[in-house]
Order: sequence, then C-alpha cells, then structure tokens
Amino acid sequence: DGGITQSPKYLFRKEGQNVTLSCEQNLNHDAMYWYRQDPGQGLRLIYYSQIVNDFQKGDIAEGYSVSREKKESFPLTVTSAQKNPTAFYLCASSSKPGPGNGYTFGSGTRLTVV
Amino acid sequence: QQQVKQSPQSLIVQKGGISIINCAYENTAFDYFPWYQQFPGKGPALLIAIRPDVSEKKEGRFTISFNKSAKQFSLHIMDSQPGDSATYFCAASITFRGGAQKLVFGQGTRLTINP
Repeated sequence: DGGITQSPKYLFRKEGQNVTLSCEQNLNHDAMYWYRQDPGQGLRLIYYSQIVNDFQKGDIAEGYSVSREKKESFPLTVTSAQKNPTAFYLCASSSKPGPGNGYTFGSGTRLTVV
Repeated sequence: QQQVKQSPQSLIVQKGGISIINCAYENTAFDYFPWYQQFPGKGPALLIAIRPDVSEKKEGRFTISFNKSAKQFSLHIMDSQPGDSATYFCAASITFRGGAQKLVFGQGTRLTINP
C-alpha cells in the first residue's frame, strides 16, 4: 500500500542533542512537508520541499534542518538550538503544487526532551 | 493575515445530533479549504474539501458550508456517531507564484460524541 512512513513513533532526546526524524513516502509525490503539532495550536509548518535538492523554510524553521536528496525521503533534524522541541511531528506529501491537491500525512513522531 | 481561526476548541454532542465547527479567515488569496480528521496518535486524514466558488459541498453525513463574503466556512456532521469522536482541523491553502502550495491550519476542535 502507498503511504508515508514516519519513524520512530516515539523519540526521547537529551538536552543539547541533535535528533533526526525519518519520513519516507512511496506515493511518488513531488512535494513534502514537515509540521509541528502542539496542543491548542494546530499544525505549524516547519519546512517544505517542492522538488529534490530544494526546500524552503516554513513559519517556525528556527532550530530545525532538513534535506531532500531523494524524492522519497525528507528527514528532519531537530537541533540543540530548538529550545522547546517536545511536540508531535507530522510529515506530509502532496502529488503536485496547486489547489485541490490534498496532503497525505504520516502517523507522526512524538518527541520528548528528557 | 494568513491565520485561520477555528471554534469551538472542544465540542460535545449527543449521538444522532448535528456537530458544527466554524472557521474564519482573512486572506482572500486562499484558494482551497479542506477539513482534516485526526484520531489520537495518528496523522490527520483529509475528510472533505471545497473551493471558494462553491457555497456548499456534501459527502455522506459531512457538509461544508462556505460563505465567501463573510470569509467563513463550517463543517456540519449530521447524525453524529461515537466513531466521529476525533479532532477536526480546518485549513486553507494558498498557492504561490511557481506553484508552491502552503496549507494554513486552524487550531483544531476536539469533538466527543456521547452514546
């Protein structure tokens, strides 16, 4: 079945550590996105990528980094510069830009700072 | 101006009743308005969507009503069932020059259907 796979499902990070969240899709979608979800704040865009080797900052990119070396993969690194990283992280993809192309979301990674 | 405001934050409805969630926006450049349903521990899933040139769209028990002049849209769930208990997000999409698309989400509504 086609879809988006996020791993791990749960991740614990110590203060000062960088951690990388994996996102893989087999939908042959061009665009991929990372969102952060906090209670009562909805989903906020961290980074997005329209094509391989290109990505753009979203609304809350500080403290995060991404890469897009392959069409299928869009990993997110939460760096030590992100002061409040505890959240639910969601990866999404869409087939092509433009209205009417809904996003497909993964099942998320819950990151906790310990 | 790119915010989408959603209300209520939480909603409790009796089984068989009508659930209504409202959203409002400011940016007239938004060109697509989807609703997503999210169950605990899962990612959101597209439920239903509407374009701004349509005033209403119905899919089964789910209906979007869209008021372009008021910049408001709402989700109605008819004959609400316990299985509808989830968090619902409205969203609005804007397409930039070059085709890049951005979805802006509302804050979410936690819906509970009492049996």
